[in-house]
This record gives sequence, C-alpha cells and structure tokens, in this order.
Amino acid sequence: GEDVEQSLFLSVREGDSSVINCTYTDSSSTYLYWYKQEPGAGLQLLTYIFSNMDMKQDQRLTVLLNKKDKHLSLRIADTQTGDSAIYFCAETSIGSYIPTFGRGTSLIVHP
Amino acid sequence: DAGVIQSPRHEVTEMGQEVTLRCKPISGHNSLFWYRQTMMRGLELLIYFNNNVPIDDSGMPEDRFSAKMPNASFSTLKIQPSEPRDSAVYFCASSQQGGHTEAFFGQGTRLTVV
Repeated sequence: GEDVEQSLFLSVREGDSSVINCTYTDSSSTYLYWYKQEPGAGLQLLTYIFSNMDMKQDQRLTVLLNKKDKHLSLRIADTQTGDSAIYFCAETSIGSYIPTFGRGTSLIVHP
Repeated sequence: DAGVIQSPRHEVTEMGQEVTLRCKPISGHNSLFWYRQTMMRGLELLIYFNNNVPIDDSGMPEDRFSAKMPNASFSTLKIQPSEPRDSAVYFCASSQQGGHTEAFFGQGTRLTVV
C-alpha cells in the first residue's frame, strides 16, 4: 500500500525554528496534512496543502511541498514549549477519503 | 458540537474478556474511522465506514475484532476475547467527505489487557 515516512524524533531549543520532514509514495496524492497530537489527546488538524501548491504559510507555520520528490515539510518559527507534541503527516488521494498517516515525529522543545 | 466522543477513556480488563469501545461521531459527518495507536506500529487504520456501511476493514487484525455502525450517530469496536497484545490507544475519527477532508479525532480509549 501507499506509505508515509517521517523521522521519529526532533529536539530543538526554545525560540529556534523546527523543521519536520515527511516523504510519501502516492503520486496521486491530492491533499497533504499536518496533524498535531498533544499528550493524552487525539490528533488535531494543524494545516493542509493542496497538491498543486508548493507553499502555504499560516502565522508561525510554513508548509513546503515538493511534489516531484514527494517531500512535505512543516516549519515552525520561534518554537515554544507549547509546541512540544507529536506531529503527523498524512495524505489523501484521488477517489479516496481515507487519510494515510505517517508514524509521527515527536518534537521536544527545551529551554 | 462537542466533537467526537469516545467512551470509556480508560479500560483495564483481563485477558479473555470482551471489550466494547464506543464512539459518537460529529453530527452530519458521513465517514467514520477506527484507528489503533501503539509505540511499535504507530497509527493503524482498523476500519472505515461511509454512510454507516463498512467500506474498508482490511486493517482489522483478526476475527476477534468486530465493528458496527448501526446508525449515523453511533459506532462500536468490540474485541472478543481480548489479549495483552491488544493493549493500545484506540481512536475514533469522523469526517465529511468532499474536497479537503479534515478528520476530527476523539480523545481516544486507552485499553490495557492484563
């Protein structure tokens, strides 16, 4: 089946930028998503990008999409301790509304 | 809307017992998903319902697992008999199909089978 890959951990210092990367295999992906999971909670949508875009910015969040390389990234500017969470990359493709999730990247923000 | 509601939040049961997890999706959503999350395997899709009909149950691990959606506002995931390796957090999510599809997740049920 289709696959979404992410690194499992990222550690950054408070105030620095965080970049979380994701690769996917489905060439028919239409939407790509970033979800955030805080401890003890379910996943919550942070942002998404349509596959014909290459960048989307939303306050401190910047999503970059390289469709040729099937690479998606999430940049968090001025990372705060409240950003510590697990971040999931996901995609949906033409004709399928079932999101395929990556394993999630645990972001650890230290002072 | 209160969001996707799952119950119970925590369940501890003995091996061999039947476990039933419950989910109330967001009103008006026509898709419902059950996921299982573990450290080893991440987030796995167990089953997907569309308009109360199971569309894809290829992720259901084995016959001990069953899921139902008798109406648009309720779904259950049953494990009978439960085993220690079923210990995980089980999430229910719902969405409204069309365009970009945001999945709304419940808080999850943490299941421990001893």
